[in-house]
Amino acid sequence: DAGITQSPRHKVTETGTPVTLRCHQTENHRYMYWYRQDPGHGLRLIHYSYGVKDTDKGEVSDGYSVSRSKTEDFLLTLESATSSQTSVYFCATTDSQETQYFGPGTRLLVL
Amino acid sequence: SQQGEEDPQALSIQEGENATMNCSYKTSINNLQWYRQNSGRGLVHLILIRSNEREKHSGRLRVTLDTSKKSSSLLITASRAADTASYFCATESGSARQLTFGSGTQLTVLP
Repeated sequence: DAGITQSPRHKVTETGTPVTLRCHQTENHRYMYWYRQDPGHGLRLIHYSYGVKDTDKGEVSDGYSVSRSKTEDFLLTLESATSSQTSVYFCATTDSQETQYFGPGTRLLVL
Repeated sequence: SQQGEEDPQALSIQEGENATMNCSYKTSINNLQWYRQNSGRGLVHLILIRSNEREKHSGRLRVTLDTSKKSSSLLITASRAADTASYFCATESGSARQLTFGSGTQLTVLP
């Protein structure tokens, strides 16, 4: 699992509140990713990072921002949570063999 | 938009039978990967096949890739109840190794 942890694992919040999800890896992998998984859609890429302070948008980036100030940490922020952002969020990293490793996921419920 | 689309969406077989899942994609790729997800868990990498490869084996898994048809198949031989899971194909086509996932095949292996 490439030593990937996500926190929190579960969160319930109200519409309009800010939410930050944290991804931490111990393998010193350069690339990190945030996905969301919803029924019928598989995984969709939100944002990704190709190095410290180097990030870019994925397929479904609206309403999300990210930051990476250290190699091991990749933060996903919902500036003002909406009910459509209720989902399961997965963090991932890629090793030198291009294999992606996934964290255990964060279940977010926005009421 | 999703790059990979799996077929069938759901598959139910008896233990000991072979299971075949197919994946189609739309654009050129660097590689194609298959992942497994058990209910409520993160994704686990199964196998990666590069665009210049046609077939790859790993234990009971066999993956084929036909770049002319933009399709791949995953064969699981001698299936076991423990193989029950969702299986996703994902294509890598970006410079930052980002993946685009299909919506998955739900495999149920009956004992």
